[in-house]
Amino acid sequence: GQNIDQPTEMTATEGAIVQINCTYQTSGFNGLFWYQQHAGEAPTFLSYNVLDGLEEKGRFSSFLSRSKGYSYLLLKELQMKDSASYLCAVRDLGGSYIPTFGRGTSLIVHP
Amino acid sequence: DVKVTQSSRYLVKRTGEKVFLECVQDMDHENMFWYRQDPGLGLRLIYFSYDVKMKEKGDIPEGYSVSREKKERFSLILESASTNQTSMYLCASSFEQGAGSTDTQYFGPGTRLTVL
Repeated sequence: GQNIDQPTEMTATEGAIVQINCTYQTSGFNGLFWYQQHAGEAPTFLSYNVLDGLEEKGRFSSFLSRSKGYSYLLLKELQMKDSASYLCAVRDLGGSYIPTFGRGTSLIVHP
Repeated sequence: DVKVTQSSRYLVKRTGEKVFLECVQDMDHENMFWYRQDPGLGLRLIYFSYDVKMKEKGDIPEGYSVSREKKERFSLILESASTNQTSMYLCASSFEQGAGSTDTQYFGPGTRLTVL
């Protein structure tokens, strides 16, 4: 199984940049997902990394280092609507290939 | 757009009652999942299904069962609800989940179940 660690809560200012880290331990890494979940709503897909490096999608970027068991989600030009939980999920080669979720990071953006 | 719907947003039941949570997806996805989400614990997988009439236990199957009689529908059953099953229940579906798959999971809006 995986051991996935994310900060519980982060705060940032509107217009700033924030980096949400995710570290994991797995015996056979096979991909890492980031999801966004607004309060009372369903998680929605943000990004997928399987190779080392940075994937950019507009204001959001996700980085992966497989050797370090480390990923981060970078949010630029923060907006109030970015206040949400951000979930890191890791897929392992063993078992069912279903990603295991971390406990999520609650991001609060204030004016 | 993929749509995953759940039968209720809020549900209140009494201890010992049998509870059915229904989930329907409209994209012909092979895989369907049931999770529960609790503060500080994140999303935990209860059961999943990769085909009609097939089911596999997730990380926390105790106290739950599932049914998948049709491809688009996946039901979660609490045979005898208990207070520790008070939680947010999320259904999800995906097209494939094999090694190397980039396919993501699509989640329903959730059912907040309270067991008194």
